[in-house]
Amino acid sequence: EIVLTQSPATLSLSPGERATLSCRASQSVSSYLAWYQQKPGQAPRLLIYDASNRATGIPARFSGSGSGTDFTLTISSLEPEDFAVYYCQQRSNWPQTFGQGTKLEIK
Amino acid sequence: EVQLVESGGGLVQPGGSLRLSCAASGFTFSSYWMHWVRQAPGKGLVWVSRINSDGSSTSYADSVKGRFTISRDNAKNTLYLQMNSLRAEDTAVYYCARDHGGYDSSGYHDYWGQGTLVTVSS
Repeated sequence: EIVLTQSPATLSLSPGERATLSCRASQSVSSYLAWYQQKPGQAPRLLIYDASNRATGIPARFSGSGSGTDFTLTISSLEPEDFAVYYCQQRSNWPQTFGQGTKLEIK
Repeated sequence: EVQLVESGGGLVQPGGSLRLSCAASGFTFSSYWMHWVRQAPGKGLVWVSRINSDGSSTSYADSVKGRFTISRDNAKNTLYLQMNSLRAEDTAVYYCARDHGGYDSSGYHDYWGQGTLVTVSS
């Protein structure tokens, strides 16, 4: 099973700042990686799939990059509604797995 | 508008059974693979099971294999998860989720239900 390690566990930033979240895979997942956002009491929302493709309706301030074992989710300028938990997920190898999450909190 | 609405969660004793349902609307249900993903209280997301569009192919996480059964009724636009021999570690919010890929599974989840809480406790 592929293990996804997200860092940092918690990121404290202010609105308007740039956020950079990392996801590292225990072995190559090619570009088969997605990012999700989850707010308290809500279901996750797909942001990015295949490492760099924005899902339908996702604002352009969200971007994904990387391949192989190292991936990054970047939020170019934080809006108040962006403070949430973010998960990466790989679907390269069975079973699909998720990272443990990065909590993005308001500084 | 795509909607997924889970039901059937609740409190069950260890060793008991529960059947979850997920009612789908706003899209052609029979054209999509579907998944169940769970989240223990305060924890991360864990994939549980998936089923292909016509119900002929299923797969399970090792932790639930032999105890859980995924199925679907395309005439009723409904996904199911039959959970038997429940354990305390199965306590979680269970989400149904649509596969992003349509006929060919992408393995990603583009729409999620609101979740239903299953609590396994004596």
